[in-house]
Amino acid sequence: SQQGEEDPQALSIQEGENATMNCSYKTSINNLQWYRQNSGRGLVHLILIRSNEREKHSGRLRVTLDTSKKSSSLLITASRAADTASYFCATAPGGATNKLIFGTGTLLAVQP
Amino acid sequence: DAGVIQSPRHEVTEMGQEVTLRCKPISGHNSLFWYRQTMMRGLELLIYFNNNVPIDDSGMPEDRFSAKMPNASFSTLKIQPSEPRDSAVYFCASSSASAPKGYTFGSGTRLTVV
Repeated sequence: SQQGEEDPQALSIQEGENATMNCSYKTSINNLQWYRQNSGRGLVHLILIRSNEREKHSGRLRVTLDTSKKSSSLLITASRAADTASYFCATAPGGATNKLIFGTGTLLAVQP
Repeated sequence: DAGVIQSPRHEVTEMGQEVTLRCKPISGHNSLFWYRQTMMRGLELLIYFNNNVPIDDSGMPEDRFSAKMPNASFSTLKIQPSEPRDSAVYFCASSSASAPKGYTFGSGTRLTVV
């Protein structure tokens, strides 16, 4: 069963705008990760945030984590047409496991 | 490194036939995961291995599905007999269990059972 749910399911913006995607999950976690999937391709790891971290940056990406609300957000600044893809959050459940449970994904379309 | 290598990229088979999907993880990664992706159910974890040992196969839908990892550089996912509802994209991913930095996914196998 899926642990996370992304919101919105689909997002369409203009190039240069910022895109924000949200993820909610249900159980305690060790870390939360964001992945990108281009159409017809495999998933690509973007960023990992640990349960004791609140914010992390990587280039144009900013991820926040609120464990009290069991939620995370991914912000892509100054979006480009090449950012068009599906974005998934994935949670590593607490305990001695390294499996990831993926959310439902947000389909981002960046219009040139 | 060539990344996680999956074969075949596409497979079309008739209902009732046996299907074998193959995966070569990244050298040095000691965890391997099989996922299935469909529009209806999204990404589902089927099974994963640590150090070639199956750890959690609770996501394997039925006894028709089986997975093996005979050594650190090779894994197979077998469906016998296949059914139309098995049609999906099957992904293999690998990671280092001791230093979680995210998974590396293969390009997937698109399976169509007719």
